[in-house]
Amino acid sequence: GENVEQHPSTLSVQEGDSAVIKCTYSDSASNYFPWYKQELGKGPQLIIDIRSNVGEKKDQRIAVTLNKTAKHFSLHITETQPEDSAVYFCAATPRTSYDKVIFGPGTSLSVIP
Amino acid sequence: EAGVAQSPRYKIIEKRQSVAFWCNPISGHATLYWYQQILGQGPKLLIQFQNNGVVDDSQLPKDRFSAERLKGVDSTLKIQPAKLEDSAVYLCASSQPRTGIVYEQYFGPGTRLTVT
Repeated sequence: GENVEQHPSTLSVQEGDSAVIKCTYSDSASNYFPWYKQELGKGPQLIIDIRSNVGEKKDQRIAVTLNKTAKHFSLHITETQPEDSAVYFCAATPRTSYDKVIFGPGTSLSVIP
Repeated sequence: EAGVAQSPRYKIIEKRQSVAFWCNPISGHATLYWYQQILGQGPKLLIQFQNNGVVDDSQLPKDRFSAERLKGVDSTLKIQPAKLEDSAVYLCASSQPRTGIVYEQYFGPGTRLTVT
């Protein structure tokens, strides 16, 4: 089955700097890669996603890139703000299971004012 | 629209006791999920319902965990008897499936369970 790994497990950046989180997946048939943000005491919330037929997607300060050959994808946050502090999870959805999401272990991001 | 509701938000029990969690999904969402999130880890799927039928319960420890979704709306997850390793946040999520399209899961705030 699908296995998703994520690095780093913790990340601290100064406000205004960029943050990058990297993930790898094992199932070459996976075709959908969402990213979730989880704030303290809340459930995960989808912030951006990318499909296997796209190499890059951007939404304001957030961007995701996908390298299907290497089976890895990354989240880029530019001009970080204190409210970006949270745990971020990458995930993968196998092509045969549109309704399944396999989560990575998470990255705890701290943005220092 | 109202989000996914869960209760209670926190629960502390002793090992070997039983506990139940409740979830009310977003109105109209046919698919409901229960996840277990151990501290420092990503959510792990326990069970998935489509309306009131079970789609996937392969990761549910059936000797102690049970879940039901009566009438295809609310759902309850039960643990009996609880073990120390069941300490975790239990998340409920819902989604509205569309054929051939990956769809977003909406998560509730979770129930934090501590087993002592």
